[in-house]
Amino acid sequence: DGGITQSPKYLFRKEGQNVTLSCEQNLNHDAMYWYRQDPGQGLRLIYYSQIVNDFQKGDIAEGYSVSREKKESFPLTVTSAQKNPTAFYLCASSTGVSRNYGYTFGSGTRLTVV
Amino acid sequence: DAKTTQPPSMDCAEGRAANLPCNHSTISGNEYVYWYRQIHSQGPQYIIHGLKNNETNEMASLIITEDRKSSTLILPHATLRDTAVYYCIADITSGSRLTFGEGTQLTVNP
Repeated sequence: DGGITQSPKYLFRKEGQNVTLSCEQNLNHDAMYWYRQDPGQGLRLIYYSQIVNDFQKGDIAEGYSVSREKKESFPLTVTSAQKNPTAFYLCASSTGVSRNYGYTFGSGTRLTVV
Repeated sequence: DAKTTQPPSMDCAEGRAANLPCNHSTISGNEYVYWYRQIHSQGPQYIIHGLKNNETNEMASLIITEDRKSSTLILPHATLRDTAVYYCIADITSGSRLTFGEGTQLTVNP
């Protein structure tokens, strides 16, 4: 079945450490996105990529980095520069230009800094 | 993308229709209205979208007013599993960077 896989589901990090969240899709979608969600809040866009080897900052990119070396993969690194990294992280993909079916989301990674 | 306004919460009895409103008074002519929902601790799920005409699929119906300044998502026979946060978004295409507000928390009661 086609879909988006995020791993791990839960992640614990010590302060000062970098950590990388995985996002893989087998939907042949061109565009991929990373969102952050804090308790009781909506989703905020961190980074997005419309095509391989290209990505743009979203609304809250500071303290995060991404890469898009393959169409299927869009990993997110939460660096030690991110002051408050504890949150629920969601990856999504879309066909890029199609108006059908919207975004497909992964099941999320819950990151906790201990 | 146009700003959307939704009530923060709504209740509905199981088996009844749930009607979720959304105002998007500044929507432009080429912006679609998208609806997603997010069940607790899961990723959001696409429900339906439309431009001008009313739309229906297996999950819901979308009614857009003639002036396109507001819309209503209708779940015809709500079940307990429909309890979720529902997001209304106005944007040009699904390929652009969609902005999710805080949505409406729908609680379906037995």
